Amino acid sequence: DQQVKQNSPSLSVQEGRISILNCDYTNSMFDYFLWYKKYPAEGPTFLISISSIKDKNEDGRFTVFLNKSAKHLSLHIVPSQPGDSAVYFCSLSSGSARQLTFGSGTQLTVLP
Amino acid sequence: DGGITQSPKYLFRKEGQNVTLSCEQNLNHDAMYWYRQDPGQGLRLIYYSQIVNDFQKGDIAEGYSVSREKKESFPLTVTSAQKNPTAFYLCASSISTNSYNEQFFGPGTRLTVL
Repeated sequence: DQQVKQNSPSLSVQEGRISILNCDYTNSMFDYFLWYKKYPAEGPTFLISISSIKDKNEDGRFTVFLNKSAKHLSLHIVPSQPGDSAVYFCSLSSGSARQLTFGSGTQLTVLP
Repeated sequence: DGGITQSPKYLFRKEGQNVTLSCEQNLNHDAMYWYRQDPGQGLRLIYYSQIVNDFQKGDIAEGYSVSREKKESFPLTVTSAQKNPTAFYLCASSISTNSYNEQFFGPGTRLTVL
């Protein structure tokens, strides 16, 4: 029973274009949403977050959109750069200990 | 230079042996977490601790044990009862659980059972 789904295991984008990574969830109890970036054999690094009371948060080239009615989260990267090539995980927070539930990840490849 | 350290980076274990993975943080964070990552999957929560001398089971705690005797340290023991221990193990910490805070991750330990 996957509560968080990233249906695209991989995505290739040309340098300079927009990358859109998607995430769907089933549990309305999630109240804080985060995106992490991960390189092979390393720990994930925090990228951007959004609380459930907002529908958009922007930080430089990265924008996260939240559609609560559709239970859908997306990350936009524009313009995409080769250094953005990594696995991106959406993670959703809930519970008193702010436990994170992770999606399975999307491998983004930005082609020069 | 604050951060989270995990050691060792690679660990090999014979079947039937217990092994302990180290996690240390000097960020003065209250909460610490252990996750497991398998190929093609997201991270799954094993155990977490919100405060010293207290910890809770996550989604896949069977075959694992932890302790939280010091704020800085949260070691994970993979016991022989864990049926599929080969995986990439990640430790994380966050400031507290009183508000929304991102978790900071260590570099991970790759455990291989021979």
